[in-house]
Amino acid sequence: AQSVTQPDIHITVSEGASLELRCNYSYGATPYLFWYVQSPGQGLQLLLKYFSGDTLVQGIKGFEAEFKRSQSSFNLRKPSVHWSDAAEYFCAVGVRYTGTASKLTFGTGTRLQVTL
Amino acid sequence: NAGVTQTPKFRVLKTGQSMTLLCAQDMNHEYMYWYRQDPGMGLRLIHYSVGEGTTAKGEVPDGYNVSRLKKQNFLLGLESAAPSQTSVYFCASRTGLAGGSRETQYFGPGTRLLVL
Repeated sequence: AQSVTQPDIHITVSEGASLELRCNYSYGATPYLFWYVQSPGQGLQLLLKYFSGDTLVQGIKGFEAEFKRSQSSFNLRKPSVHWSDAAEYFCAVGVRYTGTASKLTFGTGTRLQVTL
Repeated sequence: NAGVTQTPKFRVLKTGQSMTLLCAQDMNHEYMYWYRQDPGMGLRLIHYSVGEGTTAKGEVPDGYNVSRLKKQNFLLGLESAAPSQTSVYFCASRTGLAGGSRETQYFGPGTRLLVL
């Protein structure tokens, strides 16, 4: 069965510092990969997605992620973090569930704290 | 274009009470999903629908029922609420087309439910 691992439950970075959030997946076929962000009390907002092609994908708010098939990873990066980036970040893999429906399997999330 | 909306935003129930959560989308999406989010567990799929009049079970369907009488609405029902159903519930939708960016799910803002 597919799974997603986000090994860091909580990360603290200083404003202006670089950021990398780790995501590893387990899935037999070529995955669809997503990063979502959830601000406190809010729903999930799509940051970026990978389906095929260029393994480095750009997203909103200056985020990017790199798909590495050999490492089964899809790490999220940002060169300079802003205080408004403090939120919880979820990695997800899109898989075929039953029939024609596809579902998302989520990691447990990484909470990002930004210090000023 | 409101996207995906959910009502209510917050609700407190007593054990044994019933309630219905409403999800509405205005993007003419075929597929709709209900997830629950619990601390340290990411999002888990409760039920989903691939079109009007169809529903199917997800990973954690016990204690919930759903209906999709209209394409734009997906209802989640709790017949007899239990404290274990205290959670944040998210609805999502996507197109019925397969592949690429069409696999992206769009999320509502969530409903926070507390069962005492």
